[in-house]
Amino acid sequence: DTAVSQTPKYLVTQMGNDKSIKCEQNLGHDTMYWYKQDSKKFLKIMFSYNNKELIINETVPNRFSPKSPDKAHLNLHINSLELGDSAVYFCASSQAPGTGGPNEKLFFGSGTQLSVL
Amino acid sequence: QQQVKQSPQSLIVQKGGISIINCAYENTAFDYFPWYQQFPGKGPALLIAIRPDVSEKKEGRFTISFNKSAKQFSLHIMDSQPGDSATYFCAASRAGRRALTFGSGTRLQVQP
Repeated sequence: DTAVSQTPKYLVTQMGNDKSIKCEQNLGHDTMYWYKQDSKKFLKIMFSYNNKELIINETVPNRFSPKSPDKAHLNLHINSLELGDSAVYFCASSQAPGTGGPNEKLFFGSGTQLSVL
Repeated sequence: QQQVKQSPQSLIVQKGGISIINCAYENTAFDYFPWYQQFPGKGPALLIAIRPDVSEKKEGRFTISFNKSAKQFSLHIMDSQPGDSATYFCAASRAGRRALTFGSGTRLQVQP
């Protein structure tokens, strides 16, 4: 069983389109995240949700809108896609952020490679 | 502003050698320092982590050395193996804002 699964694995689309990436975790974690990894492999937090509540919202264009229907799911919708949005997007979850201990561990999905043409 | 600086960007080590990756941080509020390992096509996975109340933590062939006064920490991989070839990320986080700030990554190649 995959702990954190995200779909699709690959997403190729035209500029200006709207697309969504879905994420599900079966670990029972309360906190879920979206990270963006650019072409230089740099990983940056985009959003964090705790029990369906948005707790971190970095300086991300408002074309990106996360939605958490329940604590096991966190989807990412992107409007009006731009060339610069091309990257790998990772969903992740953790048990207890704020503890600094083993429960701090992030579990990542295998990523969605988004290519905007 | 990059809060966690990682070096080197890439590293080539012979099988059986020691791989050393260094990170420096700026924010003294950071109190949790993990290292993640990422293989191509996969998400990062936690390798080992340390809190600033200890100066060293060892798990198998992997050791974190932590220098609080210098605001630096490093990963040492002893007896490096070809299977260790991956990208390694240091990271840091602080209480009250539990999202990891990652370093820029180090691509490690262990040659047989």
